[in-house]
Amino acid sequence: GAVVSQHPSWVICKSGTSVKIECRSLDFQATTMFWYRQFPKQSLMLMATSNEGSKATYEQGVEKDKFLINHASLTLSTLTVTSAHPEDSSFYICSSRVNTEAFFGQGTRLTVV
Amino acid sequence: AQKVTQAQTEISVVEKEDVTLDCVYETRDTTYYLFWYKQPPSGELVFLIRRNSFDEQNEISGRYSWNFQKSTSSFNFTITASQVVDSAVYFCALSEVSGSARQLTFGSGTQLTVLP
Repeated sequence: GAVVSQHPSWVICKSGTSVKIECRSLDFQATTMFWYRQFPKQSLMLMATSNEGSKATYEQGVEKDKFLINHASLTLSTLTVTSAHPEDSSFYICSSRVNTEAFFGQGTRLTVV
Repeated sequence: AQKVTQAQTEISVVEKEDVTLDCVYETRDTTYYLFWYKQPPSGELVFLIRRNSFDEQNEISGRYSWNFQKSTSSFNFTITASQVVDSAVYFCALSEVSGSARQLTFGSGTQLTVLP
């Protein structure tokens, strides 16, 4: 089946720095990539939807200037957490749909210290 | 708007017991998909099942079974003869069938602990 490869699987960064998370579709073209965030012991909440070649759509309450999404090709979508703060520490996971299926990356556990 | 409710936050059972995880959903769509995922401590989502709203047949896969009741908007998941390795967080999710906004709407999850 289709595979979404997400890197890094975990990252620790200092407060104020930026972190980039990559999601690649390995054997299919992902015109749309969904980015979710999961705080400890909570559910997955949709942050934004990226579309290849166009601007991402952000959910209410998600700062687009802080969470930069780039979907420049059909196989790569990136999420950059800019000027990260401890409250951005979370589990980030990407997903793409192929027909009826939903494929998820392995997730990235971000810790901001 | 779509909504998925998993009322059971945490469940603990003893190994070999059967356990049912409840899922109730709300949607205005006439056609939709329902999913169950398992999330072990590693965080990765493990796909368990996808069900089309047209298909109300119950499904069994090994120790897993699913009961889809469209009349009550429920899609419950039963694990029979539970094992310690079943310990994880389980999420029920809902999505549209078509259209640009086909993201999954997740329930809050149920933490299942199977004790030896």
